[in-house]
Amino acid sequence: AQTVTQSQPEMSVQEAETVTLSCTYDTSESDYYLFWYKQPPSRQMILVIRQEAYKQQNATENRFSVNFQKAAKSFSLKISDSQLGDAAMYFCAYVPGAGSYQLTFGKGTKLSVIP
Amino acid sequence: KAGVTQTPRYLIKTRGQQVTLSCSPISGHRSVSWYQQTPGQGLQFLFEYFSETQRNKGNFPGRFSGRQFSNSRSEMNVSTLELGDSALYLCASSLGLAGPSDTQYFGPGTRLTVL
Repeated sequence: AQTVTQSQPEMSVQEAETVTLSCTYDTSESDYYLFWYKQPPSRQMILVIRQEAYKQQNATENRFSVNFQKAAKSFSLKISDSQLGDAAMYFCAYVPGAGSYQLTFGKGTKLSVIP
Repeated sequence: KAGVTQTPRYLIKTRGQQVTLSCSPISGHRSVSWYQQTPGQGLQFLFEYFSETQRNKGNFPGRFSGRQFSNSRSEMNVSTLELGDSALYLCASSLGLAGPSDTQYFGPGTRLTVL
């Protein structure tokens, strides 16, 4: 069974600084997708960034980028120029690439942004 | 375009009762997935429906069931409620055609409390 581990239950960052959230996963599949989702307090979960395992290039979305290390099964999220609105729970998630919609989530990292 | 809507937003039930939750996907989306979110277990996949057929099912007891209608709206039902069923129930919709490369859009959730 696939598992996703986020080893940092809570993190904090100063506004305008950079923070990296860690995620490791375990799978025997060669084709899969990895995601970072953001869940602000009392608000809907939204997709931050997606990485396809067969792509060597790390995904980026504006201030958000990932460091995908396939051999190490590591998928970290870097947030640059942190803003107050980045404060939220961040979930790492995995889906096998065989047409599945079944997301397996990590337990989440609560990110606080200090003004 | 309207987002994913879930009704009701909050629900209080007692042990032994049953409950039905509703999810209306984004217009044009044919896949609806359901997740249970608890502090202890995190986010866990319940099931996914596409064109009125269950395509995937998570590891939950048979008390948890769902269905999807021809307009893609979905309901999930929990019978014989237990205290441990208290959770935030999230649904997510997507086009349902391209597997993990489809973005899943989440609703705000239904907060179920079982007394």
